[in-house]
Amino acid sequence: EDKVVQSPLSLVVHEGDTVTLNCSYEVTNFRSLLWYKQEKKAPTFLFMLTSSGIEKKSGRLSSILDKKELSSILNITATQTGDSAIYLCAVGRRSGGSNYKLTFGKGTLLTVNP
Amino acid sequence: GAGVSQTPSNKVTEKGKYVELRCDPISGHTALYWYRQSLGQGPEFLIYFQGTGAADDSGLPNDRFFAVRPEGSVSTLKIQRTERGDSAVYLCASSSDYLGEQYFGPGTRLTVT
Repeated sequence: EDKVVQSPLSLVVHEGDTVTLNCSYEVTNFRSLLWYKQEKKAPTFLFMLTSSGIEKKSGRLSSILDKKELSSILNITATQTGDSAIYLCAVGRRSGGSNYKLTFGKGTLLTVNP
Repeated sequence: GAGVSQTPSNKVTEKGKYVELRCDPISGHTALYWYRQSLGQGPEFLIYFQGTGAADDSGLPNDRFFAVRPEGSVSTLKIQRTERGDSAVYLCASSSDYLGEQYFGPGTRLTVT
């Protein structure tokens, strides 16, 4: 059975801090790892990673995949209160033909205090 | 362009009733997914459509759950004889191709009383 574990489950920081969120996985036929931000209902796409060691960056957020360690980290620098959300990690594997389904972790609840 | 839309945004129903939840994917996206998210959990896969056909329905919890996508665009998730345990947020996502990231709609919060 596919498994995605995120840590920590929750984190409280002050504005300006840097945070690192962790995701580890066990999945057959691994295809990709995705990070989403969920503030209310809809998860919002952040990154999709398929290759080990290549950092993806968007503003203050960055992420990298380590296929040898079966893990990924999401870094947020100079945090702002608007970064407060649940960060979800998901792993995609081949399913029913050419497309794939995602298995999600429980998420990390990040709270950024002013 | 427009994102994934879902209706209704909230649905309250009595135990034993039938409900339909609708998803309108991003125009041109061929793949459509349904997930269910309970409080404190990540989304859980239910079913995936490639075009009109259900390519993988392994996540449907039992035969009370059924989904269709008759014209390869809009999809409807149908739940018969609802139970209190069906209460959750039902999320729909779509993607453009087999490498494409999945874009989620705002979800339907289903409450079974």
